[in-house]
Amino acid sequence: ETGVTQSPTHLIKTRGQQVTLRCSSQSGHNTVSWYQQALGQGPQFIFQYYREEENGRGNFPPRFSGLQFPNYSSELNVNALELDDSALYLCASSSDVAGGHTDTQYFGPGTRLTVL
Amino acid sequence: AQSVTQPDIHITVSEGASLELRCNYSYGATPYLFWYVQSPGQGLQLLLKYFSGDTLVQGIKGFEAEFKRSQSSFNLRKPSVHWSDAAEYFCAVGPANTDKLIFGTGTRLQVFP
Repeated sequence: ETGVTQSPTHLIKTRGQQVTLRCSSQSGHNTVSWYQQALGQGPQFIFQYYREEENGRGNFPPRFSGLQFPNYSSELNVNALELDDSALYLCASSSDVAGGHTDTQYFGPGTRLTVL
Repeated sequence: AQSVTQPDIHITVSEGASLELRCNYSYGATPYLFWYVQSPGQGLQLLLKYFSGDTLVQGIKGFEAEFKRSQSSFNLRKPSVHWSDAAEYFCAVGPANTDKLIFGTGTRLQVFP
């Protein structure tokens, strides 16, 4: 059973650019959530994808967008990068269980994005 | 408003000493509660979780946590800390039917030999 993987590990961009971060969910998981963790802070929920559909969104502007593929891997896209977007971006996967709730989510190692 | 408060930003303990990390939450519905640990440059690893039932839950690495509804708390404990426990610890709360977690700001644990 493979865990959650993310790519790239590190990324440096300049203000105004666009970036795409990738996440491969754990085998058997159909739900992917993305979190932003600024330095010294706890992770903040960006959005979640369930079976290729967005299933909830946190307090992030529309320039943060996502996608989930048929194999349940996912992408996070950020347009018009700002300095405050510098953070560790974490992906977590989980699977739905009987009763409608999701089981524990497992986190990947994250992508460190630096915006200059 | 839904929130998680971890009052202690930084805690230092000696190896072998006991540990308690505090977590208080504000949540309108029945909460699902979690403790995660993050080592430098790493993602989050689940230590333990509470959904229902026995309010004292056991986790990995010898950690346990106690849910106290009357105090809106979910404190993490370990009877004897090891140097390898040095890390950042996050308490999180989520809705009963999904996993859109709300995290606290974390407590950094430093362990002295």
